[in-house]
Amino acid sequence: SQQGEEDPQALSIQEGENATMNCSYKTSINNLQWYRQNSGRGLVHLILIRSNEREKHSGRLRVTLDTSKKSSSLLITASRAADTASYFCATDPNFGNEKLTFGTGTRLTIIP
Amino acid sequence: DTAVSQTPKYLVTQMGNDKSIKCEQNLGHDTMYWYKQDSKKFLKIMFSYNNKELIINETVPNRFSPKSPDKAHLNLHINSLELGDSAVYFCASSPSGRMNTEAFFGQGTRLTVV
Repeated sequence: SQQGEEDPQALSIQEGENATMNCSYKTSINNLQWYRQNSGRGLVHLILIRSNEREKHSGRLRVTLDTSKKSSSLLITASRAADTASYFCATDPNFGNEKLTFGTGTRLTIIP
Repeated sequence: DTAVSQTPKYLVTQMGNDKSIKCEQNLGHDTMYWYKQDSKKFLKIMFSYNNKELIINETVPNRFSPKSPDKAHLNLHINSLELGDSAVYFCASSPSGRMNTEAFFGQGTRLTVV
C-alpha cells in the first residue's frame, strides 16, 4: 500500500518566494528522503533525515521530521525557475526488507 | 560517466510481445531496484536484488522476470505485454544496508504498449 501522501498535489509560486511541501506516512520509519524529478527525467536525491533527527538543512532546502505525527516538510527558500519539478518523499520502514516507498509527489511550478 | 543507465529510453510495442529493459550501474552498489511509475506519477517498487539475489518481489505478475547476471546489472524481461504495462520503469541502486544513503536512479524507460 502507498506509504506517503504529499500535500499539496500542485503548487505554483512566484520566483523568489518560499515553497513548502508536506509529506505524511503511515508506519514507523528508519529514515525519510526527499527526491526531485524533472519532467521526463529520473529522480535525484535531495536530502535524507533519520528518524532520530528533527531538522536538516542543505543549501536552500530545509527538511523537518515529526515522527509523532508521522509527517515531514520540505521548505525551498528563495525559489528559482530551475526548481520547477515534482518532489517526492520516500520512506524506509524500520521493519522488513529495505526499500524506499514513495509518496504521491508535489508538482512545483516556479513562475518567473 | 552515467551512474545508473537504462536502455532503451523509449519502447513502443504491441500487445502480446516480449521485451527487455537493461540496467547497469557503475557505482559499485550491492543493491538494485526496479520501480514502476504510472500515469499519475505514482512510484511503486517492483523488485530489489542484493548481490544478485532477489530480496523483494512486490506482487508483480510473473510475466515480469528480473535477471541479475552480476551485481552491476539488473535487467527486466516482460512477457506477453498488456496495455496496463504502459508506464515509465526506473532502475535504481544503493549501497547495501538499511537505505541510510541515497538511491541513484536511471533516467527511466517509457514503455508504451499499443
